[in-house]
Amino acid sequence: QQQVKQSPQSLIVQKGGISIINCAYENTAFDYFPWYQQFPGKGPALLIAIRPDVSEKKEGRFTISFNKSAKQFSLHIMDSQPGDSATYFCAARGEGSNYKLTFGKGTLLTVNP
Amino acid sequence: GAGVSQTPSNKVTEKGKYVELRCDPISGHTALYWYRQSLGQGPEFLIYFQGTGAADDSGLPNDRFFAVRPEGSVSTLKIQRTERGDSAVYLCASRVAGVADTQYFGPGTRLTVL
Repeated sequence: QQQVKQSPQSLIVQKGGISIINCAYENTAFDYFPWYQQFPGKGPALLIAIRPDVSEKKEGRFTISFNKSAKQFSLHIMDSQPGDSATYFCAARGEGSNYKLTFGKGTLLTVNP
Repeated sequence: GAGVSQTPSNKVTEKGKYVELRCDPISGHTALYWYRQSLGQGPEFLIYFQGTGAADDSGLPNDRFFAVRPEGSVSTLKIQRTERGDSAVYLCASRVAGVADTQYFGPGTRLTVL
């Protein structure tokens, strides 16, 4: 059972363009939605995160848009740069005290110079 | 300060052997997680420690997998009778106690079972 569905699987964008990655979830008990960035051979690093009581959060070139009724959220990378080339994972955290994360399958982003 | 560290970075073993993977969390982080990341997939939860105790081990795939954290800091993931299907990157993450959201991941241990 895949609780967090992520698309697209891969994405190629030109430098300066906008990268958009989408995620959908099923469990309405999820209460925290982070995005992680992972470079080859490295562990995932938190990029930006949002809670369901907010519809949008922006940090620099990165924005999360959240649609609670549709159970969808997306990552927008403005002015994409070659250094943004990495794998991006959306995740969701369930209720309860363990705070474990459920991840999507990832999106491999390539930004061409 | 230092981040989460994991050793070894790579481990190659033969089918049927026993392996131990080590995680050193960020100092002061009482919550510790193990995840497994198969090729082309997102990390999947294995086990969660709050202090010394395993508060949630629901993600461990079978009884060949076991993890300990005897002093509430370093954790060891132990895999008995390894199988080729165990090949993956094993990630450790730590979090400050309480309501802090962010999990900080280590670089992972790439396990290859021949």
